[in-house]
Amino acid sequence: ETGVTQSPTHLIKTRGQQVTLRCSSQSGHNTVSWYQQALGQGPQFIFQYYREEENGRGNFPPRFSGLQFPNYSSELNVNALELDDSALYLCASSLEGALFFGPGTRLTVL
Amino acid sequence: GEDVEQSLFLSVREGDSSVINCTYTDSSSTYLYWYKQEPGAGLQLLTYIFSNMDMKQDQRLTVLLNKKDKHLSLRIADTQTGDSAIYFCAESREGYQKVTFGTGTKLQVIP
Repeated sequence: ETGVTQSPTHLIKTRGQQVTLRCSSQSGHNTVSWYQQALGQGPQFIFQYYREEENGRGNFPPRFSGLQFPNYSSELNVNALELDDSALYLCASSLEGALFFGPGTRLTVL
Repeated sequence: GEDVEQSLFLSVREGDSSVINCTYTDSSSTYLYWYKQEPGAGLQLLTYIFSNMDMKQDQRLTVLLNKKDKHLSLRIADTQTGDSAIYFCAESREGYQKVTFGTGTKLQVIP
């Protein structure tokens, strides 16, 4: 059974640019969530996708958007990057209840 | 709203028991979780407990839930150096998509 995978591992962008992060769900999991973890903090909920529809959203602006594909993989897109967007972005898949996280993408915005 | 609080740091000697504590504010919490994060890695689910339970044991891990006081603890028996990591307490409500995490407790195991 393959766990949750994310790409890329690390990414450096400059302010104002756009970024796309990718996630492959754990086999059989139909729900994917994205979290932002700033340094020294716990993860913060961005949004969740279920059957290709957004199924809940945290306190993040519209420039954070996502997609889920028929194979349950997912993308997180962030437009107009700001310095405060620098963080570890975690994808998690779930079937019922518990979240299973990927290793994350470390985004640095300069 | 939901809030989860944890102490920031715990230091124990190898072989001793570790107890990591957490308090939460949402009385509607249905699931309570413990995650482990090693440096540079994602979060690993250690265990979770339903709010209608007061204890769960899984090998070296014991979770205790005091629903009245909204207090959750994780006990690690015979703590090893490989247990050194940040431990996150988290909660969610049935029917809600969001899992709310605490700020994490850094466990340092001294050989």
